[in-house]
Amino acid sequence: GQNIDQPTEMTATEGAIVQINCTYQTSGFNGLFWYQQHAGEAPTFLSYNVLDGLEEKGRFSSFLSRSKGYSYLLLKELQMKDSASYLCAALDSNYQLIWGAGTKLIIKP
Amino acid sequence: DVKVTQSSRYLVKRTGEKVFLECVQDMDHENMFWYRQDPGLGLRLIYFSYDVKMKEKGDIPEGYSVSREKKERFSLILESASTNQTSMYLCASSSKDRAGANVLTFGAGSRLTVL
Repeated sequence: GQNIDQPTEMTATEGAIVQINCTYQTSGFNGLFWYQQHAGEAPTFLSYNVLDGLEEKGRFSSFLSRSKGYSYLLLKELQMKDSASYLCAALDSNYQLIWGAGTKLIIKP
Repeated sequence: DVKVTQSSRYLVKRTGEKVFLECVQDMDHENMFWYRQDPGLGLRLIYFSYDVKMKEKGDIPEGYSVSREKKERFSLILESASTNQTSMYLCASSSKDRAGANVLTFGAGSRLTVL
């Protein structure tokens, strides 16, 4: 079956760095997405990786290893506004998204 | 500012009632989706549509139907609401980006409670 695993909750300190991991098992693979969702709000697109390696966008970076079925989202210089849920989703061979349950990130001062 | 607008943020309905959830996008996107989001579960796809008057079943279509009469509007219908349909419903739209990988733009969600 198809499956996405990510931690349920993580806690980090303002100004620090946090890495949110995501492992996936899908029928075929056409890329991996990360979305951010603040409580009570719409998920918003953060990143898309289809090739191995690290892609950096300001304070946020996303990494993919296709051979390991693994991705992570790296958040640097954490700010209180980064408190949110982070959703990992893999695109399978039929271009259907398989979603993880999301990681709730709590930032403490 | 591009938007996906869901008409109702909070609804409370009784078991057996017919429920309409409306979604409108202003980005001229071809693709529209309805998901439900429940605690501890990933987003689950109910129905999607790639064009006007077209609809495709997602992973959990039972108990739901959809309507897409206009490109910008995608409606989710619960013919006879049941308590297990209490959930957050998210509408999304997309156009093709990067060789078939579609970036989704979501609405803020409609939280439905069925009593």
